[in-house]
Amino acid sequence: EAGVAQSPRYKIIEKRQSVAFWCNPISGHATLYWYQQILGQGPKLLIQFQNNGVVDDSQLPKDRFSAERLKGVDSTLKIQPAKLEDSAVYLCASSFSGIGDTQYFGPGTRLTVL
Amino acid sequence: AQKVTQAQTEISVVEKEDVTLDCVYETRDTTYYLFWYKQPPSGELVFLIRRNSFDEQNEISGRYSWNFQKSTSSFNFTITASQVVDSAVYFCALSEGDRDDKIIFGKGTRLHILP
Repeated sequence: EAGVAQSPRYKIIEKRQSVAFWCNPISGHATLYWYQQILGQGPKLLIQFQNNGVVDDSQLPKDRFSAERLKGVDSTLKIQPAKLEDSAVYLCASSFSGIGDTQYFGPGTRLTVL
Repeated sequence: AQKVTQAQTEISVVEKEDVTLDCVYETRDTTYYLFWYKQPPSGELVFLIRRNSFDEQNEISGRYSWNFQKSTSSFNFTITASQVVDSAVYFCALSEGDRDDKIIFGKGTRLHILP
């Protein structure tokens, strides 16, 4: 079974530029999550989708971050404009349905903002 | 509010030693789920175990074992006969099952296995 795919693996941009990350969840998984992991910390949930609807985006900085999950499969996370403090690893995860289910993570995208 | 505490920031042991990683959690729910994930240098979070709050049976999987004690709100992880490949950051996490499936992660314990 293929795991969660993410691209790119690494991205370096200058502050105020825009960047987008892509995630393809495990086939059949209805729930998709985006996490931000700052160096030395645990992952922090940014947004959660159930199929193509948003379940929780309470910790998403909506003035600069946006995410979508068209057709309930792939998802993109965008940052516009980026700030220095956005430097982190962005992890995508998916689970079969939701409550109590195990979340499986992708390899992440390491973003460096200069 | 839910909270996960991993008091050990960093641990170093010599290969073949046993090591225990501590995890203490806080929740008001009676139904919840506990997880351990491993994050090797490659960066991917690898799922190790999921335990629901009604199953206090300890679990062993090869060199890995988990001790779940509701009385002390702890879910500790032991690696027996550690190997260099066990070097990674290990995260304990909690999900409150009654309301939502949001997982709250601890800050992680960085484990160094020295050859």
